[in-house]
Amino acid sequence: SAVISQKPSRDICQRGTSLTIQCQVDSQVTMMFWYRQQPGQSLTLIATANQGSEATYESGFVIDKFPISRPNLTFSTLTVSNMSPEDSSIYLCSVEKTGMDTQYFGPGTRLTVL
Amino acid sequence: KQEVTQIPAALSVPEGENLVLNCSFTDSAIYNLQWFRQDPGKGLTSLLLIQSSQREQTSGRLNASLDKSSGRSTLYIAASQPGDSATYLCAVRPNSGYALNFGKGTSLLVTP
Repeated sequence: SAVISQKPSRDICQRGTSLTIQCQVDSQVTMMFWYRQQPGQSLTLIATANQGSEATYESGFVIDKFPISRPNLTFSTLTVSNMSPEDSSIYLCSVEKTGMDTQYFGPGTRLTVL
Repeated sequence: KQEVTQIPAALSVPEGENLVLNCSFTDSAIYNLQWFRQDPGKGLTSLLLIQSSQREQTSGRLNASLDKSSGRSTLYIAASQPGDSATYLCAVRPNSGYALNFGKGTSLLVTP
């Protein structure tokens, strides 16, 4: 398995500001992902964080809005830029180890935008 | 586009009951199906993973089945306990890529 921590666990932000969420894993992993869970909705993949190269974004998500960094095999950040109330969601980091098909999830960051 | 549906959306049962949660998906070209448990503030916990070639998986009081051709999976919980109260999520992984397609979940409440 993998132990994943996220910071912050929750935050309340003002419209137009940006927030950076950190994800730390206790061991090196090949694949790291960022998901979003809007109120009453299912989890949706935002992007795959690639180590040493640009993230791969899913349809409907763009780098200018959700810039992602992956400086090494245990750490990634997701920034939610120029926030609006529609960005209020839970943001979750997940990882998958090579050879294992199970994705492990962090505790999530609950973001409220006023 | 893969659509994953979970029924019921919410369920309340007395302690000790056996219960079944349902998950259906529209595209049978899946790599695997995973059941998760979501507790507030604790993220997702993987419960069972069924590969596309498998029919079921068991872990303790939990049993998950998969009928890929009909696009259905069920999660059976035996002798439910108050500690089982949580939201249960079904997620399907396609044959290509890593993106999990999630249902909206079933919110389970087990009362003492």
